[in-house]
Amino acid sequence: QLQLQESGPGLVKPSETLSLTCTVSGVSISSSSYYWGWIRQPPGKGLDWIGSIFYSGSTYYNPSLKSRVTMSVDTSKNQFSLKLSSVAAADTAVYYCARISRVGATDYWGQGTLVPVSS
Amino acid sequence: QSALAQPRSVSGSPGQSVTISCTGTSSDVGGYNYVSWYQQHPGKAPKLLIYDVSKRPSGVPDRFSGSKSGNTASLTISGLQAEDEADYYCCSYAGNYALVFGGGTKVTVL
Repeated sequence: QLQLQESGPGLVKPSETLSLTCTVSGVSISSSSYYWGWIRQPPGKGLDWIGSIFYSGSTYYNPSLKSRVTMSVDTSKNQFSLKLSSVAAADTAVYYCARISRVGATDYWGQGTLVPVSS
Repeated sequence: QSALAQPRSVSGSPGQSVTISCTGTSSDVGGYNYVSWYQQHPGKAPKLLIYDVSKRPSGVPDRFSGSKSGNTASLTISGLQAEDEADYYCCSYAGNYALVFGGGTKVTVL
């Protein structure tokens, strides 16, 4: 059964870089025609697509975050990662990793991890 | 890339039908037949209910249906049940692998 699990620091200071990793089990990232992505949800607010990555390393980012986002994939560990630089309080959110079809259907989600941005 | 417009809340009695609208532009909802819908209960990850406008993944009850006309997509829940009380989000493909979500709709079962 396909599962995704986010991991990373529980707290990030303003102006620093948020780093998260998603470990995929039950399927090989590189054997799938799906994309792997990050979606976030500020407390009490809606969902926001951050970006998607293919196992080959091709990346696609939300234009509003593009200047601060870097995504990467490690097929040997069946993991993909997110880095968001120069964070501020507005970046406080639950961050989900997910499997996304080429045209956006997101069928598997991690449980989500809350990342507060605070000094 | 602006968020898709959804009503903040809708409500209905058990057994009734409710419809949630999701309005975008010709660059997203109107331009592609790739709208998906998600159900989210408090403290849980979203769950895929509908994809490609009107297709249901295995295991999703046929009480949930999707449609689209022009720049507006809709999710209808027929035979409303207590467990349908949740937040619902639409999402549209917006070209070049980009996605845009709606602001979310809270469904209350009276």
